[in-house]
Amino acid sequence: DAGVIQSPRHEVTEMGQEVTLRCKPISGHNSLFWYRQTMMRGLELLIYFNNNVPIDDSGMPEDRFSAKMPNASFSTLKIQPSEPRDSAVYFCASSSGGNGQGSGANVLTFGAGSRLTVL
Amino acid sequence: AQKITQTQPGMFVQEKEAVTLDCTYDTSDPSYGLFWYKQPSSGEMIFLIYQGSYDQQNATEGRYSLNFQKARKSANLVISASQLGDSAMYFCAMREGRRDDKIIFGKGTRLHILP
Repeated sequence: DAGVIQSPRHEVTEMGQEVTLRCKPISGHNSLFWYRQTMMRGLELLIYFNNNVPIDDSGMPEDRFSAKMPNASFSTLKIQPSEPRDSAVYFCASSSGGNGQGSGANVLTFGAGSRLTVL
Repeated sequence: AQKITQTQPGMFVQEKEAVTLDCTYDTSDPSYGLFWYKQPSSGEMIFLIYQGSYDQQNATEGRYSLNFQKARKSANLVISASQLGDSAMYFCAMREGRRDDKIIFGKGTRLHILP
């Protein structure tokens, strides 16, 4: 398995521009997570999906952020308009939990991350 | 309120010594899981070890073991015989309950192994 695939790996954009980050989870995993990592705030959970349905988006910082999962093999995180304070590494992760009967031991597998710089 | 607390922002340890990285957690759910991840300078997140709240024994994976003290709500990671390659950021994380997949992370501890 190729693991969790994220693109782009690096993105540099100017304030006000739209940014779209993409994620392909591991085949068969039915939970998908978006995290943001910064020096100041560490790893923050932004949103997660079970079976393509958003379950908890309480970590999404504001309306400029949106996430979708149109099918089991693809998710996007969009920032519009972007601001310099959005600069961070954005991780996508997937796991095989999400059916309400998990053992609790479902391990998150992370993608390599997308490093976003907003100028 | 912070649910995962890692009080050591940074640690320096001599190679071949054992290391203990602290983690305390806060939950009222009797069913939960605790994880440790390693993040080397290359940036990827690597799963190390898992401990379930009902597990009777402390988890071990090679040189990694988890010192689980349920009453104290602590889940410290112990690395035996540290190696230079262990230099990295280490994150403690928790999943609450069995139905919810939400996993939250502590702020991490940066470990430096000295030759």
